[in-house]
Amino acid sequence: EDQVTQSPEALRLQEGESSSLNCSYTVSGLRGLFWYRQDPGKGPEFLFTLYSAGEEKEKERLKATLTKKESFLHITAPKPEDSATYLCAVHSGNSGYALNFGKGTSLLVTP
Amino acid sequence: NAGVTQTPKFRILKIGQSMTLQCTQDMNHNYMYWYRQDPGMGLKLIYYSVGAGITDKGEVPNGYNVSRSTTEDFPLRLELAAPSQTSVYFCASSYSRQTGELFFGEGSRLTVL
Repeated sequence: EDQVTQSPEALRLQEGESSSLNCSYTVSGLRGLFWYRQDPGKGPEFLFTLYSAGEEKEKERLKATLTKKESFLHITAPKPEDSATYLCAVHSGNSGYALNFGKGTSLLVTP
Repeated sequence: NAGVTQTPKFRILKIGQSMTLQCTQDMNHNYMYWYRQDPGMGLKLIYYSVGAGITDKGEVPNGYNVSRSTTEDFPLRLELAAPSQTSVYFCASSYSRQTGELFFGEGSRLTVL
């Protein structure tokens, strides 16, 4: 059975303090790994798709990377507006049309 | 573009009541999905549709039904509500299955008492 584990569950950073969020996965035949951002009371918002090990994607202060076992979401010099829950999801040969979501990392960036 | 619109945003039901969560999208996407999100858990797929007239079960379909008569609309029906159906429900749509880029609505928070 596919498994997606995100760590840490919660992270508090000072503005400007760079860090990384982790998403480790065990799947049969990875077809894609996806990162989403979710603000309180809102639906998830798509950030990145990664398809193969070694691939990297960037958007503003965010950079997503992928290995054969895990993905990292690096946040460089974060700002308070980066505070949100970040969700990782995978699509595999086992999952049909479903994306298998992790439980998320809740990020708080303080001024 | 409004994107994906869900109604209602909040609802309280009594055990055994039925209701329909409405979802409409204006992006002409063929793929539509219903997910539920419970505290401390990942999103789980309830039902999905690959086009008008075609629907199929996801991971947690029990207690729910869907229909897709048009490209735009994908309502989720809850029959005989149970406390286990207390959750936040998200409708989503996509133009491709492969990219993983789902467009989500803002969610419907349902409480069953």
